[in-house]
Amino acid sequence: QQQVKQSPQSLIVQKGGISIINCAYENTAFDYFPWYQQFPGKGPALLIAIRPDVSEKKEGRFTISFNKSAKQFSLHIMDSQPGDSATYFCAASKADSWGKLQFGAGTQVVVTP
Amino acid sequence: ETGVTQSPTHLIKTRGQQVTLRCSSQSGHNTVSWYQQALGQGPQFIFQYYREEENGRGNFPPRFSGLQFPNYSSELNVNALELDDSALYLCASTPMTRNTEAFFGQGTRLTVV
Repeated sequence: QQQVKQSPQSLIVQKGGISIINCAYENTAFDYFPWYQQFPGKGPALLIAIRPDVSEKKEGRFTISFNKSAKQFSLHIMDSQPGDSATYFCAASKADSWGKLQFGAGTQVVVTP
Repeated sequence: ETGVTQSPTHLIKTRGQQVTLRCSSQSGHNTVSWYQQALGQGPQFIFQYYREEENGRGNFPPRFSGLQFPNYSSELNVNALELDDSALYLCASTPMTRNTEAFFGQGTRLTVV
């Protein structure tokens, strides 16, 4: 069964706008929640990650919001740029998993000029 | 941070054949995980190797097997190829000092005809 559910499947945002991608998880043993960015023909690249002891983490234009009680987390891309056009995956893993990740299905983001 | 390299980048095989994919991780990364990414989907965990031993396996049949070598390089072997095995195969390595982060290679695109 899919342990991490991601939405929307795709979104189009204008340059300068905000992209928001949501994920929900089921397994309360998960305690590491990364986001990956993938360009066509490339492997996923780690973008930003959060642990459940904080509710928000910001790195540049990328922010993760985390709601432990709702078992949900989201990625906000501020001031979206055409170069942000890519597929974004949320993921989750347990402590000391050494890279065993459960991925969402992905969101294709298109930023229009 | 990357430095994970995979070979070959593309491969075409016939149904029923066997294939070996290779991964070289960077220094200081002692754990390697393999993922299968079907078109339009998120990566699915196949298995993980730590100190040359399998350390966890996803929902994949035994015809998917692997090896890890003393220099931390790794192989993924798939026997009796099926059409549904067509996918991007990703290798991810995890640093000894950061046991949740996974850094992906560019992948091997396998097409089974």
